[in-house]
Amino acid sequence: GNSVTQMEGPVTLSEEAFLTINCTYTATGYPSLFWYVQYPGEGLQLLLKATKADDKGSNKGFEATYRKETTSFHLEKGSVQVSDSAVYFCALMDSSYKLIFGSGTRLLVRP
Amino acid sequence: EAGVVQSPRYKIIEKKQPVAFWCNPISGHNTLYWYRQNLGQGPELLIRYENEEAVDDSQLPKDRFSAERLKGVDSTLKIQPAELGDSAVYLCASSWGPNRGGDYGYTFGSGTRLTVV
Repeated sequence: GNSVTQMEGPVTLSEEAFLTINCTYTATGYPSLFWYVQYPGEGLQLLLKATKADDKGSNKGFEATYRKETTSFHLEKGSVQVSDSAVYFCALMDSSYKLIFGSGTRLLVRP
Repeated sequence: EAGVVQSPRYKIIEKKQPVAFWCNPISGHNTLYWYRQNLGQGPELLIRYENEEAVDDSQLPKDRFSAERLKGVDSTLKIQPAELGDSAVYLCASSWGPNRGGDYGYTFGSGTRLTVV
C-alpha cells in the first residue's frame, strides 16, 4: 500500500543552521507530494507541494524537490529561525484523493 | 476569509460517554474530511464527504463512530460510546474538490483534542 516514511525527531538545530528533513514514499503511480507544518496548539498548514517529478515546491525559504528515481521529497532550508520550531509532516495524495501522512518530525531551533 | 472552524477545542469525557465534534468548512468548499491524529503520529483519514455524500468512510469505525454533513456544509462527528483509545486530536479539513485538493492541498482546522478518562 501507499506510505510515507520520515526521519525520526526531534531534530535540534541552532539558529541559522541548515535543515534537512528526509522523506521517502511508496506509492503506485505518481502522487502529489506535500509538506505540512503544525505549530504548537494549531492545525496543519500547507507549507509546499509538488505535483509531478522534478517539480520543486518552495515557500518561506523551505524547498523540496520531487525525486521519482529515489521516491523522495526531502525538506530543506538554508537558515532556520527559532520561529520555524514545529512539527513537519510529509504527505502524499493517493489516487482516491486521500492524504497519507508520515509520522512527523519535530524541529527545535535554539537561539 | 475565515478558515476551517472546529469546536470545541478541548473535550474531556469519561469512557462510555458520548461526544460530538463540529466543523464548519471554508465557504464554497464542497469536499470535507475528518482525520484523527494520535499522539506522535500523522493524521489518518476517517471519512471524506463530497457535498452531503460520504464517498470514503472505509476507515471509520462504524460500530461507535458516526458522521453527518447535512446540507453539504457543516459536519458533525460523533462517538458513542467513547473508549480510552479514542483519545486523540480530531481534525477537520476542506477543499474545493478532490482534484483541487490534489493540486492545492487541504485547509485544516485547529482540531479538537479529546481526552477519554
